Amino acid sequence: DTAVSQTPKYLVTQMGNDKSIKCEQNLGHDTMYWYKQDSKKFLKIMFSYNNKELIINETVPNRFSPKSPDKAHLNLHINSLELGDSAVYFCASAPQRETQYFGPGTRLLVL
Amino acid sequence: AQSVTQPDIHITVSEGASLELRCNYSYGATPYLFWYVQSPGQGLQLLLKYFSGDTLVQGIKGFEAEFKRSQSSFNLRKPSVHWSDAAEYFCAVGADNAGNMLTFGGGTRLMVKP
Repeated sequence: DTAVSQTPKYLVTQMGNDKSIKCEQNLGHDTMYWYKQDSKKFLKIMFSYNNKELIINETVPNRFSPKSPDKAHLNLHINSLELGDSAVYFCASAPQRETQYFGPGTRLLVL
Repeated sequence: AQSVTQPDIHITVSEGASLELRCNYSYGATPYLFWYVQSPGQGLQLLLKYFSGDTLVQGIKGFEAEFKRSQSSFNLRKPSVHWSDAAEYFCAVGADNAGNMLTFGGGTRLMVKP
């Protein structure tokens, strides 16, 4: 009955690989988000998405792309992984533009 | 663009003592303001939020925060800290004109002494 879930919880991979992180919410929310938390705990928005509009933080490399198969899912695809992509990635969802509920995070380590 | 500053990177308080965590924001319009808490290895849990109305908002776990427009602040307070409150605390501002993507402060790590 987890509200916002992410898989996998941990992801260890080699530089240059392509990987995906999945996010699912069962709250019926319209908007979903991806955030990156770096090693210094700094949280930064990456994307905001609902079924009509994708807003991309201009600092996010185009190697990162969100894919939404349906309203309850927003997956994060990362191409050509780099060492600097190592971080914790959080998915969140919100009804319209209100309080965001966060998933447990996916810890990505690029070797 | 909006920004959030949490001036204190670390704070240590004794159990039972009062707590205030500072948050200053920069945003051109009326902000949506949030406090989240993150325990080690965990996700983010919402403590409280301010959208409009009463400037003193109550949250979970005995926390409250006060929105002061004149000072561009949204400080978090708790009258008596418990050891289980030790965690990382994040203040955030949401911008309605940008899909309400949150801008977070750098966080304040709270340590509680027995």
